Amino acid sequence: GDSVTQMEGPVTLSEEAFLTINCTYTATGYPSLFWYVQYPGEGLQLLLKATKADDKGSNKGFEATYRKETTSFHLEKGSVQVSDSAVYFCALKLSLSTDKLIFGTGTRLQVFP
Amino acid sequence: DAGITQSPRHKVTETGTPVTLRCHQTENHRYMYWYRQDPGHGLRLIHYSYGVKDTDKGEVSDGYSVSRSKTEDFLLTLESATSSQTSVYFCAISEFPAGDYNEQFFGPGTRLTVL
Repeated sequence: GDSVTQMEGPVTLSEEAFLTINCTYTATGYPSLFWYVQYPGEGLQLLLKATKADDKGSNKGFEATYRKETTSFHLEKGSVQVSDSAVYFCALKLSLSTDKLIFGTGTRLQVFP
Repeated sequence: DAGITQSPRHKVTETGTPVTLRCHQTENHRYMYWYRQDPGHGLRLIHYSYGVKDTDKGEVSDGYSVSRSKTEDFLLTLESATSSQTSVYFCAISEFPAGDYNEQFFGPGTRLTVL
C-alpha cells in the first residue's frame, strides 16, 4: 500500500553542521510530498512541499527535492541551529484531488551548541 | 498561527470510562480532522469532517466516534476508553481540502493516558 519511510532517529548534530533526513515513499500515481515540523509541546507545522517531480520545496533554509526516479524527498539544511531541534515528519498526499495525508513515523533532530 | 485550540490538553482516565476531546477553531475552515500520534507510527487519521454533520472514518476509527454540530467545533469521543487508546491526539483544519493550496493546520494536541 501507499506509505512513507523515514530514517530512524534521533539525529544528533552540532550547531552549523549539515543536515540530511531521508524520506522515501511508495505510492500509486503522482503524489504530492510534504515535510512537517513539530517543535516541543506544539502541533505540526508545514515546513515545505513539492507537488510534482523535480520540484524543490524550500523554507527557513531547509530544502527537499521531489525525486521520482528514486521515490525520495530527502530534507536538507546546510547549517543547523539549536532552534531547529524538533521532530520532522515526511508525508504524502496521493493526488491533488484528495485531502488525505499519509505520514512517516517522524525523525527527531537534536542540535547541540 | 491558525486559531485552533484543543481541550483538555492533558487527561488521565480509567479503562472503560467515556472521554470526549474537543477541537475548536476560529478560522471558519470547512474541513477538520482528528489524528493520533504514537511512537513508531507517526500520525494516523481517525475521523474527518467535510462540514457540519458531515463526517467519515479514517484509517484507525474503531473505538472512536465524532460529531460536528457547528463549523467551529469537532468532538472526538471514546465511548469506553482502553489502554490502547493512550496517545497524543491532534486536531487539524483546512480551508481547501485538495489542490495545490491545500495545507492542514494543526492544534497543540491532547495527551490522553488510559490506566
